[in-house]
Amino acid sequence: LAKTTQPISMDSYEGQEVNITCSHNNIATNDYITWYQQFPSQGPRFIIQGYKTKVTNEVASLFIPADRKSSTLSLPRVSLSDTAVYYCLVGTIYNQGGKLIFGQGTELSVKP
Amino acid sequence: DGGITQSPKYLFRKEGQNVTLSCEQNLNHDAMYWYRQDPGQGLRLIYYSQIVNDFQKGDIAEGYSVSREKKESFPLTVTSAQKNPTAFYLCASSILVLRERRTGELFFGEGSRLTVL
Repeated sequence: LAKTTQPISMDSYEGQEVNITCSHNNIATNDYITWYQQFPSQGPRFIIQGYKTKVTNEVASLFIPADRKSSTLSLPRVSLSDTAVYYCLVGTIYNQGGKLIFGQGTELSVKP
Repeated sequence: DGGITQSPKYLFRKEGQNVTLSCEQNLNHDAMYWYRQDPGQGLRLIYYSQIVNDFQKGDIAEGYSVSREKKESFPLTVTSAQKNPTAFYLCASSILVLRERRTGELFFGEGSRLTVL
């Protein structure tokens, strides 16, 4: 299984763009990359998923370089409500039967 | 509304007791998962299931048991063999996109907080 490594914490200010990078050096050919957001005492919530290049939705963008050994979640113009823990998840159905392992996550703190 | 429901939200257990946490989904999802989260930590996988009547151990299955008799239900039993069961338990479900070999987004329940007295 691809192991993921993220910064433990990051600080930002309201209105700034935040980029959180996840390293997954042993990512498998069929693995997809998915990011989740978690607030205290709640289950994680899906943000974005991608396989290669760039994916964008209404809340974030995901950048994946050609070698796919890392990925970057980009949050445009963050607000105080974006203070949360962000997890990068790498996996596939056929990789150990769909085992999905979360890393330690990145605790993002947005300040006014 | 479609979603995933966990119960109870809070549960207290005495030493030596087994307890069962319920997880029900009406999303028609194939896969279901149980995670444990300790304070300030990430999520650790206990068990997961991709199909009815089949399930696999995660990284911390010891002291836990599950069943998957119905597609919509995946109960977790915390047995007396689990030495430190006080934690926040999260159940999730997802579709399986077979043609792309990927798991769809995980939908999580609101969690069950278990405390051992």
